[in-house]
Amino acid sequence: DQQVKQNSPSLSVQEGRISILNCDYTNSMFDYFLWYKKYPAEGPTFLISISSIKDKNEDGRFTVFLNKSAKHLSLHIVPSQPGDSAVYFCSGSSNTGKLIFGQGTTLQVKP
Amino acid sequence: NAGVTQTPKFRVLKTGQSMTLLCAQDMNHEYMYWYRQDPGMGLRLIHYSVGEGTTAKGEVPDGYNVSRLKKQNFLLGLESAAPSQTSVYFCASSYTSGTGYNTEAFFGQGTRLTVV
Repeated sequence: DQQVKQNSPSLSVQEGRISILNCDYTNSMFDYFLWYKKYPAEGPTFLISISSIKDKNEDGRFTVFLNKSAKHLSLHIVPSQPGDSAVYFCSGSSNTGKLIFGQGTTLQVKP
Repeated sequence: NAGVTQTPKFRVLKTGQSMTLLCAQDMNHEYMYWYRQDPGMGLRLIHYSVGEGTTAKGEVPDGYNVSRLKKQNFLLGLESAAPSQTSVYFCASSYTSGTGYNTEAFFGQGTRLTVV
């Protein structure tokens, strides 16, 4: 059972426009959600997070929204830049320590 | 600080051989994780540990064993390698915040394992 789902394998946007990456989860025990970015041949790196008691967290060009009733997260990148081209992973964490990731979405930002 | 270091970076095994992947972190993190990354499957949790001497199964634990004898090290073992275990393996570590949330995880550079 896939506890974290990223149903869009890829996304292509023009430089300067908004990128919206979506994520759904099924585990009600998740209380913290994190987005990671991964370049080829490198390990994932942390991007932004949100706790389950909030519905929005913003850090520069990156904003994460949480709709707890729908068990849905989204990551907004505005404005998108070519250097944002990477694979983005959504993850959910519970107080048991378990950290579960989705399948990832490959973002391509075209100049 | 080195962060999270994985050894080795590449390895080719024959079916049935055994090996151990080593993960070392120098950030005094409580939590450590082993993931495998396969095309279209994302990062799947193999095993994890919430402290020295403790381990727990993740999403895909079969065929793997782990040990956390020291806080800074987390070992992943393959007793009898199979071609289905060909993958890129990532180790990660994290700590809990004062409110109990699992904070951001720091990842190693990965180990590319091929089983022939």
